[in-house]
Amino acid sequence: AQKVTQAQTEISVVEKEDVTLDCVYETRDTTYYLFWYKQPPSGELVFLIRRNSFDEQNEISGRYSWNFQKSTSSFNFTITASQVVDSAVYFCALSELKGETSGSRLTFGEGTQLTVNP
Amino acid sequence: DTGVSQDPRHKITKRGQNVTFRCDPISEHNRLYWYRQTLGQGPEFLTYFQNEAQLEKSRLLSDRFSAERPKGSFSTLEIQRTEQGDSAMYLCASSYGGMGKNIQYFGAGTRLSVL
Repeated sequence: AQKVTQAQTEISVVEKEDVTLDCVYETRDTTYYLFWYKQPPSGELVFLIRRNSFDEQNEISGRYSWNFQKSTSSFNFTITASQVVDSAVYFCALSELKGETSGSRLTFGEGTQLTVNP
Repeated sequence: DTGVSQDPRHKITKRGQNVTFRCDPISEHNRLYWYRQTLGQGPEFLTYFQNEAQLEKSRLLSDRFSAERPKGSFSTLEIQRTEQGDSAMYLCASSYGGMGKNIQYFGAGTRLSVL
């Protein structure tokens, strides 16, 4: 069975602070995908990133960066110089890597509510 | 290119009534997923279609729930004899199968309130 744990239920920061959202996962699969999604108050989940278990390189996209460490089963997300518009619920998710011929369900964590105050 | 569209956005119903939700995926996407999200929780998988075939169903999908995707395009999710515990946000996602793709894109959801 797969499980994703986001231990931080809520985080509140002041604008321009850096913030890291933690994600720890459990899976018996040797190959898998990890994801981060953002859910603003409008409700729509917005895709941010997908990593596969083969690739442990960290990734940076603008103010966003992701740190994947297979040894600790963690996939943490850092927002640098946070902005008010970053306020949302952020979800980490896991899926099997079945190859591209088949879809696969996402297993989500419980989410972290990030509030960035001006 | 429009995103995933869900209708209605909100539904209020009385316990025991039947409700039906619709999802229109991104046009070229052959895979469609339904999830349920309760307040303060992450989405939970319900079911998945590849084209018109329903390939996977969660244990959460009781016999009061049925989903269809008759022509491999839009999908409907019906809940019969609704219960208060069915109150949740129902999210639809679609993806395109292919190398390097298979990322699920979500609609804004249908929020169901059962009174």
